[in-house]
Amino acid sequence: DAGITQSPRHKVTETGTPVTLRCHQTENHRYMYWYRQDPGHGLRLIHYSYGVKDTDKGEVSDGYSVSRSKTEDFLLTLESATSSQTSVYFCAISERDPQETQYFGPGTRLLVL
Amino acid sequence: KQEVTQIPAALSVPEGENLVLNCSFTDSAIYNLQWFRQDPGKGLTSLLLIQSSQREQTSGRLNASLDKSSGRSTLYIAASQPGDSATYLCAVIGANNLFFGTGTRLTVIP
Repeated sequence: DAGITQSPRHKVTETGTPVTLRCHQTENHRYMYWYRQDPGHGLRLIHYSYGVKDTDKGEVSDGYSVSRSKTEDFLLTLESATSSQTSVYFCAISERDPQETQYFGPGTRLLVL
Repeated sequence: KQEVTQIPAALSVPEGENLVLNCSFTDSAIYNLQWFRQDPGKGLTSLLLIQSSQREQTSGRLNASLDKSSGRSTLYIAASQPGDSATYLCAVIGANNLFFGTGTRLTVIP
């Protein structure tokens, strides 16, 4: 299995509070991604990164920001959490480009009350 | 926008049966297609990646095919086992994104 960890694995927070999720990889892969998984929608891309400090938006980026200051870490921040952001969040990595195999982390289950 | 559909949403088969899972997509301008397995409460495990220039890819009891012109892919599982029970997801790979289907939940009955 690719060395990808996510923290925290579970989080309960209140509407309006900021939340930061962390993805850490030990594979030295160039690309990192954040997805959310919701019933009936499948997985959808939030943001991705193609290098340190290089990020771009995905399909559902509103209300989220990201940062990548080191190759191994990719942070997802919910600036002001809303109940619609209750979801399971997955981090993924690929070695050189998005067309290669993507490897997924174990997920973070977030509940916004 | 790429739309990916997986039918059926759920499937139950007796152990030992061969089965086919289906994936269809609306835009044939894809780079690659990837099949994943997801166990309850877990992350995704990559099973096979088919490049757009390929027609098939095999790994053990799994065989995936791709027909770009018709917008279809199939995942064939031979001699199914209870350990194959999981949700199977297909993802179409575009320039910078994966577009996922909602999956087929497979149950293999011992």
